[in-house]
Amino acid sequence: GAVVSQHPSRVICKSGTSVKIECRSLDFQATTMFWYRQFPKQSLMLMATSNEGSKATYEQGVEKDKFLINHASLTLSTLTVTSAHPEDSSFYICSSETGQGLYGYTFGSGTRLTVV
Amino acid sequence: GIQVEQSPPDLILQEGANSTLRCNFSDSVNNLQWFHQNPWGQLINLFYIPSGTKQNGRLSATTVATERYSLLYISSSQTTDSGVYFCAVRELTFGTGTRLQVML
Repeated sequence: GAVVSQHPSRVICKSGTSVKIECRSLDFQATTMFWYRQFPKQSLMLMATSNEGSKATYEQGVEKDKFLINHASLTLSTLTVTSAHPEDSSFYICSSETGQGLYGYTFGSGTRLTVV
Repeated sequence: GIQVEQSPPDLILQEGANSTLRCNFSDSVNNLQWFHQNPWGQLINLFYIPSGTKQNGRLSATTVATERYSLLYISSSQTTDSGVYFCAVRELTFGTGTRLQVML
């Protein structure tokens, strides 16, 4: 089946540094990638939607200069958390519509970011 | 925006028991999905069910769109069913989730 590979699975960084999270579609073309964040014991919140070759669309309240999204190819989308602060610590998940069956979405395995 | 509420928020079952999870949404939708998030965070798509009933093994789901709710049924629960169950509507607006723990 369709797989989205997300790396890294865990990352610890110092305040003020930047962290890049990658999501790769392994056996399909991910025209659109969705990025979510999830705080402990809470639901997933959509941060932004990226389309290959165009600028990402950010949800209200999400700082586009802090969360940089690049979707330069049909198989790779990246989220860069710039100048990270402890409040950015969270679980970040990407997702793409696979086109396999109606509304078949596949998710990356998530990245747990801890900013110290 | 649309509100998506799930109940119960937490559920503990003995292995082999059956359960029903509910998802209420505040506005009309033309898509609804159920997902399972395992204890390691991985999300699995269970059902796409904007209306009607579907079954997949021990799981089944029913959506009554006119009354703005969906139900997920888990029969003969197993410890591997543990995790959080989310419904999501429209462009993947996720519900509040039901945290399920199945005990031996």
